[in-house]
Order: sequence, then structure tokens, then C-alpha cells
Amino acid sequence: NAGVTQTPKFQVLKTGQSMTLQCAQDMNHNSMYWYRQDPGMGLRLIYYSASEGTTDKGEVPNGYNVSRLNKREFSLRLESAAPSQTSVYFCASSEAIRGVFYGYTFGSGTRLTVV
Amino acid sequence: AQSVTQLGSHVSVSEGALVLLRCNYSSSVPPYLFWYVQYPNQGLQLLLKYTTGATLVKGINGFEAEFKKSETSFHLTKPSAHMSDAAEYFCALKPSEAGSYQLTFGKGTKLSVIP
Repeated sequence: NAGVTQTPKFQVLKTGQSMTLQCAQDMNHNSMYWYRQDPGMGLRLIYYSASEGTTDKGEVPNGYNVSRLNKREFSLRLESAAPSQTSVYFCASSEAIRGVFYGYTFGSGTRLTVV
Repeated sequence: AQSVTQLGSHVSVSEGALVLLRCNYSSSVPPYLFWYVQYPNQGLQLLLKYTTGATLVKGINGFEAEFKKSETSFHLTKPSAHMSDAAEYFCALKPSEAGSYQLTFGKGTKLSVIP
């Protein structure tokens, strides 16, 4: 099925370790996003990529880096994980064509625990 | 700047009763508005969206929402709750202006359905 695929689904890290969360979409969308979800906080934007070759900070970018590898793939890297980065991470993509916005499609999430 | 406020972090209704989940927004430009549903340990699924046109929007699973500009509201309703509606619901906003990508979420409302 077409959509947004995230890997891994679960991960436990020790404080200070690094890891990369992977995201790929097969809908030919131009824009991709990384959100984190914490209880009682809703979803908050970490980084986004409006189109291939561009990335921009969102609301909570500290401690993260991103790479838009190509049109399909958008990865999120934690260089030195901290317990405060324990969260559920969602990747999403979207498209707008000739002024018509087609909405966001979300992946199923990565549950990350930093101990 | 934009923001989304969901009134009530937890709402309980009896099976068969009306579901009303409240969402108010603040936006400096006309908004696109969305409702997403999240079942336990799953990703976000789009229920419905308002972009332009008819202000009463119908979505999946019998839900609908009405965009009221004068009240800056986009409340979600369903005439008769079903046990399968128990989930967390998120209201979200994106400015309609071209070049704007960030989707701003409310903090969510957890819906419980009592048999």
C-alpha cells in the first residue's frame, strides 16, 4: 500500500548514543516532516523539508539533525541521545498541486526510549 | 502565528450519545483545518479536512465538522457514539498561504465511550 514507512518501530538507546530514524514515502510528495509526540503536548514539529534539497527547523529542533536524501527519503538523526528525547516520532509527507492542498500522510511512528 | 486549542483533554460519552469535541484556533491568515484520530499505539489517521468551499465537512466513520470563521471554531461531531470511536483526537491547522508548511496541532482530546 502507498504511504509513509518508518523504521525502526521501536528503539531503546543509552544516554549519549546516536541513531538515525528512517522515513520513506512512495507518493511522490514534495514536502516531508518529522514530529514528536509527548503525552499532553500534542505533536510538535522538529524539522521539515519543503522540497528536495531544502530543510528547515520547526518548533523543537535542538538535539536533532535531518537529511533529505532524495525526494522519497527524509531521515532524522540524534547525535547524542538524552532522556528528554524519549518520545514517539512521526514522519509525514504532503503535497500541493496548482494551489490545491492534498493534506498530510503520517507514518506509523517510532517509539524511542532513552535510558 | 497560529495556535490550536482543544477544550477538554478527556471526554466521556455513553454509547449512542452525541459526540462533540471542541477545537478553537487562532490564525493570522485563513486556515486549513484538520481532524486526526489516533488509536492506541498507532499513527494518525485523517478524519476530515477543511480547505475551501463548503464549511460543513463530512469525514470517515460518520464524523463531521463545521468551520465557523466568526467563532474561530472547528468542532467535531458524531450523532451516535460507537465503542470503536474510543481514541485520541487531534485538531490541526495549516495556514492557507502558499509556502507555508507547518501543521500546528492541538494537545489532543481522549474520547472514552461508556457501554
